Amino acid sequence: QVQVEESGGGVVQPGGSLRLSCAASGFRIRHYGMHWVRQAPGKGLEWVAVISYDGSQKVYGDSVRGRFTISKDNSKNTVFLQMNNLAVEDTALYYCARDRSPDIIFLVWGRGTPVSVSS
Amino acid sequence: DIQLTQTPSTLSASVGDRVIITCRASQSISKWLAWYQQKPGKAPKLLVHKASSLESGVPFRFSGSGSGTEFTLTISDLQPDDFATYYCQQYVSYPYTFGQGTRTDIK
Repeated sequence: QVQVEESGGGVVQPGGSLRLSCAASGFRIRHYGMHWVRQAPGKGLEWVAVISYDGSQKVYGDSVRGRFTISKDNSKNTVFLQMNNLAVEDTALYYCARDRSPDIIFLVWGRGTPVSVSS
Repeated sequence: DIQLTQTPSTLSASVGDRVIITCRASQSISKWLAWYQQKPGKAPKLLVHKASSLESGVPFRFSGSGSGTEFTLTISDLQPDDFATYYCQQYVSYPYTFGQGTRTDIK
């Protein structure tokens, strides 16, 4: 069964760091672009970052560029999101999503992992 | 960045109604628009891609149309399972932006 499962969320103070993981099963991430999309409580969807199928391209949303880093380990079939210098505005449910390359539409979603930034 | 504006933000409707949700882009995105349905506590579900292509398994009462800067998602014969929040998303260029969402509730 094709699915992704996020983990690593938690509560962190402003300025802190967290590393999210997205474990894929039923497909190989080396064949697809993998994304992080977040949703603040009661708010809409915000695309965060993408790593291309071959890892050569990493693109970030304006609000996280310079603070977040996306990476992957093909051998573990897992994608990561390193989040540094977290701010209260980063509080959200973080979804991992697989696209349907070459169309950047999000076909496979996880359940999300919650991140709360609070002092 | 390309901005997507959905109208209305909230829509009250009855079972059996025909509802139309509009998504306007701040610049032309050709047909590179998708629609998603999200229910409370769940991840979004892809309904339509390339503006009017229905995703496999999605009921035919859902349809999408439009090109350029104006798009619509139509739900004919609204069913109880359709009460949810709907988002449009453009995928012509980074960053891949979403509309702010349209919540549908029971009148």
